[in-house]
Amino acid sequence: GESVGLHLPTLSVQEGDNSIINCAYSNSASDYFIWYKQESGKGPQFIIDIRSNMDKRQGQRVTVLLNKTVKHLSLQIAATQPGDSAVYFCAENPGSARQLTFGSGTQLTVLP
Amino acid sequence: NAGVTQTPKFQVLKTGQSMTLQCAQDMNHNSMYWYRQDPGMGLRLIYYSASEGTTDKGEVPNGYNVSRLNKREFSLRLESAAPSQTSVYFCASSEEGTGELFFGEGSRLTVL
Repeated sequence: GESVGLHLPTLSVQEGDNSIINCAYSNSASDYFIWYKQESGKGPQFIIDIRSNMDKRQGQRVTVLLNKTVKHLSLQIAATQPGDSAVYFCAENPGSARQLTFGSGTQLTVLP
Repeated sequence: NAGVTQTPKFQVLKTGQSMTLQCAQDMNHNSMYWYRQDPGMGLRLIYYSASEGTTDKGEVPNGYNVSRLNKREFSLRLESAAPSQTSVYFCASSEEGTGELFFGEGSRLTVL
């Protein structure tokens, strides 16, 4: 079946720099996308979501961009902080909130 | 406000033993879920419950059973544990129809 994937498994950035985490999806029926953050030893935590009728959505220090033409999703974190070090997952919803499909995750490491 | 509480946090089983993972949420959510997380594979849905009294299979239900005991509680049972079920298990809940899942801290299960 179709699944969500990530371009890079790891990403290292300097503290204060901006981070960009990418995600590719293949299910053209997906109409809702979510980013989750998972800190070591904890459960995933919702960051931000975007519906397919939008191409950009901003939160506090985070921006999600959606390019439906190439089926690409990205999460931008501004002024990355040590507390941003975590695994980031994108997830897609192909029409049912009960069947989120998660990607394999990107490990973000913030360097001092 | 505890959110989603899972027990136990750690468990070691021998092949063929049975056990139940317990999950409770105090957010009055209708929907509850059980996921497993394996290295490099993201989160995979085992079972979900859209509302009290209903349960449905997810992506990887084989070897598991669930019970939605009431609106607060959703348990996951392994009747005859196998080494392939070694994983970290996450319970989550959400308002019906949203992708914002609230996860517990996880239960790390090892089957020898």
